[in-house]
Amino acid sequence: ELKVEQNPLFLSMQEGKNYTIYCNYSTTSDRLYWYRQDPGKSLESLFVLLSNGAVKQEGRLMASLDTKARLSTLHITAAVHDLSATYFCAVDVGGGADGLTFGKGTHLIIQP
Amino acid sequence: NAGVTQTPKFQVLKTGQSMTLQCAQDMNHNSMYWYRQDPGMGLRLIYYSASEGTTDKGEVPNGYNVSRLNKREFSLRLESAAPSQTSVYFCASSATRSGTQYFGPGTRLTVL
Repeated sequence: ELKVEQNPLFLSMQEGKNYTIYCNYSTTSDRLYWYRQDPGKSLESLFVLLSNGAVKQEGRLMASLDTKARLSTLHITAAVHDLSATYFCAVDVGGGADGLTFGKGTHLIIQP
Repeated sequence: NAGVTQTPKFQVLKTGQSMTLQCAQDMNHNSMYWYRQDPGMGLRLIYYSASEGTTDKGEVPNGYNVSRLNKREFSLRLESAAPSQTSVYFCASSATRSGTQYFGPGTRLTVL
């Protein structure tokens, strides 16, 4: 059974600081997704990482994938309040089945 | 394009009542999915449809049925609602079986 674990699950940080969210998964997968969810809203796709060593950046967010370690990171640089949200990583279910297995999410609060 | 739309946005049911959640997408996507989101649990896959005319069970299918009415529409039915089905339900679609999934706005369901 595929398991996806994120840590931390809750993070409060100050504007201007850097931090990293970690996503570990239990079985082989070459495809990992990061989503953002604002309170009471839907999920917004941030990044799709398709291969080992993949790195993608958008603004103050940078995501990377290490398939050998089964680890993805989402790095936040010089955080701003607008990045406050819940961030989910997700991995293809695999094994011939479709769909995604999600982590429990990291609730990020960025304080002025 | 409206993307993925869901109706209704909110619903309150009594235990034992039935209802159907509707989902439609206008992106000409082949694959569609239903997830539920519970506090602290991330999203869990209920059912998916890889193409028109096919449906398959996900992680938590018990108590639900689905219909892929055509390429655009994928409905989720609760035949006899239970309090354990109180959740936020998200529909998603993707162009291919392993493509980025795009999510609808969600249906917040309460079963009393």
